[in-house]
Parts: sequence; structure tokens; C-alpha cells
Amino acid sequence: AQKITQTQPGMFVQEKEAVTLDCTYDTSDQSYGLFWYKQPSSGEMIFLIYQGSYDEQNATEGRYSLNFQKARKSANLVISASQLGDSAMYFCAMREPRPGNQFYFGTGTSLTVIP
Amino acid sequence: NAGVMQNPRHLVRRRGQEARLRCSPMKGHSHVYWYRQLPEEGLKFMVYLQKENIIDESGMPKERFSAEFPKEGPSILRIQQVVRGDSAAYFCASSPQGRTAETQYFGPGTRLLVL
Repeated sequence: AQKITQTQPGMFVQEKEAVTLDCTYDTSDQSYGLFWYKQPSSGEMIFLIYQGSYDEQNATEGRYSLNFQKARKSANLVISASQLGDSAMYFCAMREPRPGNQFYFGTGTSLTVIP
Repeated sequence: NAGVMQNPRHLVRRRGQEARLRCSPMKGHSHVYWYRQLPEEGLKFMVYLQKENIIDESGMPKERFSAEFPKEGPSILRIQQVVRGDSAAYFCASSPQGRTAETQYFGPGTRLLVL
């Protein structure tokens, strides 16, 4: 089974509007971390936001917020007031407390902001 | 504080040659992770290392691939006898202590092209 599922290969949003990028995850661990990364066309991976499995409040970082619904195992990223520079690939990732502590990444969502 | 550094940024090899990819973690980080990103896909975990130790190599192909993180110097991902299917972006990430709640900071990646 996929650890991280991102069902939206591509999304469009009008500049200044909000957009939600979906992410569901699969784990049997009680302790885990959820992350979102942005990958612009230049290729680097930029950390956006983190949510711990025990955090009761949704994480927020500036225009980014994470809509964490633990029972549904979803961790959607909300970008408010979209900007042209937000056009990029967005990856959801999960980290479990295994010895490797590796990240499991989804296949990504390509976001295009329309002026 | 310099970020994670990877070199070279681009590497072209002919089939059968060796590829050596280098990664210098962020200052103060002793945990290094290597990921591979095939075109149009998310990142896939390869290996997790601490200084002089391989902690988890469950994502590494069994043949031709090896990784090390010596006491002094950068981490090296080595691919022997490269094949066209090895063409991908290889990302290195580092974290201070390898805990689940820590984010991993990614380098800019090395784009390997096998002719």
C-alpha cells in the first residue's frame, strides 16, 4: 500500500485565491510526522510546513496551513492568497519512527497560479 | 550557515562508467539521507547514514550502488557500471539528530544523465 497518496496530479488557481492540495497517508504508528515540500522548476526541495501526529492544533507557517484530520488520515496543504511564485510541484511526505527515519513521499501535485 | 551542498549539480556518464555523487550536510548535522527522483515521480528513499555507519539501506538497489559517510569529508553515493535507468535526480538531505519530528533539509540535487 502507498504510504502517501496525492490524488491531484495538477491544479490551477487564480492569483490571490486560496487552494487546497490533498494528501492522505497510511501508517500503523501512533507517532509520526507529516511534511510538505515545494519543488520549483529549478529543482530544489524547499521545506514548507510540519505537523506532528500528537499536535492538536493545525500547523501554520505564513500563507501555508496544514489541515490535519487524524481520523481520516489526511494532511491537506492550504495556500492562501496564491502568488505567481507559488507555481511549483508540491510533495507531501511522512516520517515514521523507524530506525531509518526515512521520508515517504507522494507523487506530487503540480500547482499553476494563473494571473 | 551554509545549507546542504551537493556536487556536481549535473553529471553525464556513458553506460558502464562510474558515477560519484557528493553531499556535505549542514553544519552540525550528523545524519545524511539519499533519495532518488525519477522523472515525473516523487522522491524515493535509498539510504540513511551517520558518520562511519550505514543505518538503513533498505532502499538501495542490491547491486552497483553503495554509499558511505566517512569520519572526515562528504558523504558519497557511488554507482558502478551505470545504466540508462540510473538517469535521475539524486537528492541528499541532512538532519541534526534523526528524530521523527525533525525536518530534513535537502541539497539542490545532482542530475545524472546516462548516455
